[in-house]
Amino acid sequence: EAGVTQFPSHSVIEKGQTVTLRCDPISGHDNLYWYRRVMGKEIKFLLHFVKESKQDESGMPNNRFLAERTGGTYSTLKVQPAELEDSGVYFCASRPTETGYGYTFGSGTRLTVV
Amino acid sequence: GQNIDQPTEMTATEGAIVQINCTYQTSGFNGLFWYQQHAGEAPTFLSYNVLDGLEEKGRFSSFLSRSKGYSYLLLKELQMKDSASYLCAVRDLAGKSTFGDGTTLTVKP
Repeated sequence: EAGVTQFPSHSVIEKGQTVTLRCDPISGHDNLYWYRRVMGKEIKFLLHFVKESKQDESGMPNNRFLAERTGGTYSTLKVQPAELEDSGVYFCASRPTETGYGYTFGSGTRLTVV
Repeated sequence: GQNIDQPTEMTATEGAIVQINCTYQTSGFNGLFWYQQHAGEAPTFLSYNVLDGLEEKGRFSSFLSRSKGYSYLLLKELQMKDSASYLCAVRDLAGKSTFGDGTTLTVKP
């Protein structure tokens, strides 16, 4: 089966610009997560979708971040306007509903805000 | 919330055995996971424990004690390719995982 796909793999943007990251989870995985790793620190939770619904968005840093999962398939994470501290690697992960399954992570999007 | 602690770095010799510990405090526990992450790559799932005891998978084993809030990942017959970061993660009742900072393992010849 195809894995979790993220696009783009790298993005360099100027402060104040907008960037949209995309994640295509494994087909059939209802659970989709966004995580972020900043400056070599731990991987931090951003939000969790179950199908198209936001189950938990407690990790979203502020209202400059907007995530959507229309139709319960792929998801987008938009940062508008981007700030320097938003730089990091954004990981998407998905898993099926059944317990006992770990996440399958995408390769991540490395975002650099200059 | 969750609080997860694991050593920052460990070094071991090729062919040896290494144990990476993880302690956690949690307000709701629904499983403990270990992931391996090579530099510049995505984390990959290694193991899952939800009941106390040892789960073995080839060269890798993971142990859990829920009463002690403690887990370890045991790697046997170390190979150079095992050099990576090992992440301990605890899942809560809502299905969200919180990750530790990771342990960077360096395997030397």
